[in-house]
Amino acid sequence: GAVVSQHPSWVICKSGTSVKIECRSLDFQATTMFWYRQFPKQSLMLMATSNEGSKATYEQGVEKDKFLINHASLTLSTLTVTSAHPEDSSFYICSARQGGGVNQPQHFGDGTRLSIL
Amino acid sequence: GENVEQHPSTLSVQEGDSAVIKCTYSDSASNYFPWYKQELGKGPQLIIDIRSNVGEKKDQRIAVTLNKTAKHFSLHITETQPEDSAVYFCAAVGLGAGGTSYGKLTFGQGTILTVHP
Repeated sequence: GAVVSQHPSWVICKSGTSVKIECRSLDFQATTMFWYRQFPKQSLMLMATSNEGSKATYEQGVEKDKFLINHASLTLSTLTVTSAHPEDSSFYICSARQGGGVNQPQHFGDGTRLSIL
Repeated sequence: GENVEQHPSTLSVQEGDSAVIKCTYSDSASNYFPWYKQELGKGPQLIIDIRSNVGEKKDQRIAVTLNKTAKHFSLHITETQPEDSAVYFCAAVGLGAGGTSYGKLTFGQGTILTVHP
C-alpha cells in the first residue's frame, strides 16, 4: 500500500519550454503533497507544500511564478516548470502525506529527472 | 526552524555486520521521526518511523531508537546484506508553534551505506 506514482520519470527539453510533472497517490487520498528538489549527492530540499483545493505554500527563495503547483484533487498534484532554463535541470521528487495529521507518513514518488538543453 | 544533523556521511561494512546511523534534531516539539532509504535514481522509500511516545521500534533487521531528552535518534541495521547498500536519510517533522518548519519534513544530510559481500 501507500504507492505514489510520478510521471514522467525523465524529461529532456529545450530551454524556454514549460514542463509539467504529475504526482499521484494511487491507493490513498492525500490532502497534502510536497515537492522537493534534489541535487546530485545532496539531501532533499523542500520547494513547496501543496494542499488540495488551495494555493501552494512556497519555501523561501522558490519562485512561485516559475514553479506552478496545482492540487486539484485528493490524488493528484502537478508541478509545472515554466520557461525552463539549464539551471532548472535537477531531480524533482514529490511526496504525499497519508492521513490528515502533520506527523503522518510521507510517501515519495520515484522522481523526475529534468534536463534542459 | 528544525535542523537535523546526520552522521556518518559514509559507512562501509562487511556483509553480516551491523550498521548504525545517528541523527540529532533541534526542535524539542518534534514527535515524528521517519527513516528513508534511497536507491540510485529512485525516490526515498520509507523503511521505518518512530513517534515520541516510544523509545524503540523494530521491524525484522531494522530498528530505530529515540532519546527525546538528548534529541537524538538512531537507525540500526543488523545482519547487513549487499542489497542494503543505498543512501539513508533521517528526518524529523517540525512542530514548533509558529515555526517555519511546522508540519514539514526536515532531512538529514544522508549516509551512503556500502555493504561489501
